Amino acid sequence: GAGVSQSPRYKVAKRGQDVALRCDPISGHVSLFWYQQALGQGPEFLTYFQNEAQLDKSGLPSDRFFAERPEGSVSTLKIQRTQQEDSAVYLCASSPRDISNQPQHFGDGTRLSIL
Amino acid sequence: GENVEQHPSTLSVQEGDSAVIKCTYSDSASNYFPWYKQELGKRPQLIIDIRSNVGEKKDQRIAVTLNKTAKHFSLHITETQPEDSAVYFCAANLETGFQKLVFGTGTRLLVSP
Repeated sequence: GAGVSQSPRYKVAKRGQDVALRCDPISGHVSLFWYQQALGQGPEFLTYFQNEAQLDKSGLPSDRFFAERPEGSVSTLKIQRTQQEDSAVYLCASSPRDISNQPQHFGDGTRLSIL
Repeated sequence: GENVEQHPSTLSVQEGDSAVIKCTYSDSASNYFPWYKQELGKRPQLIIDIRSNVGEKKDQRIAVTLNKTAKHFSLHITETQPEDSAVYFCAANLETGFQKLVFGTGTRLLVSP
């Protein structure tokens, strides 16, 4: 498939557990984004990578959230000591270039539920 | 910071009618405005976008207009079909040199046969 792939599609965790969410961007795409989408809301920006460099993490809600893209391809969003308010859909998007007016293509997301 | 307002929040039309969704943005430096369609449990799907160097763009039954002076842009869907039923989000970029998108709150469109 040529689209953005995310795994797992669904994740249930107990409060206090750590979780890791994976994103495979479209091959060759330079830019990668993570967004958080609460029920009934639009996506909200979390963080942005240009290749392996994390250039913007202004949207990460707390220091419990950490993202990486070590080889400039696959990215992982990690949430430590999860809390109920972390329950949301986490969307990954990629874009072919590193300029600001390029289309962002989204994956299906990971639906995270914290019990 | 950038704010994108979208209305209406819900829109019900009969099949074959037109639908219009409107958004306003606050950052005058924004120069890219995409529209996404999201069906329940699915990914946001880019349906059309417009850059600030044009005032209108059309793709079959879908068109987007941009008024930079007033800082608003609109999505127009003509000859609506039941399969157009979904939530539609507008977005605008922040002209910070990066590509952060700020999304509106969404419009739930229902097209009745």
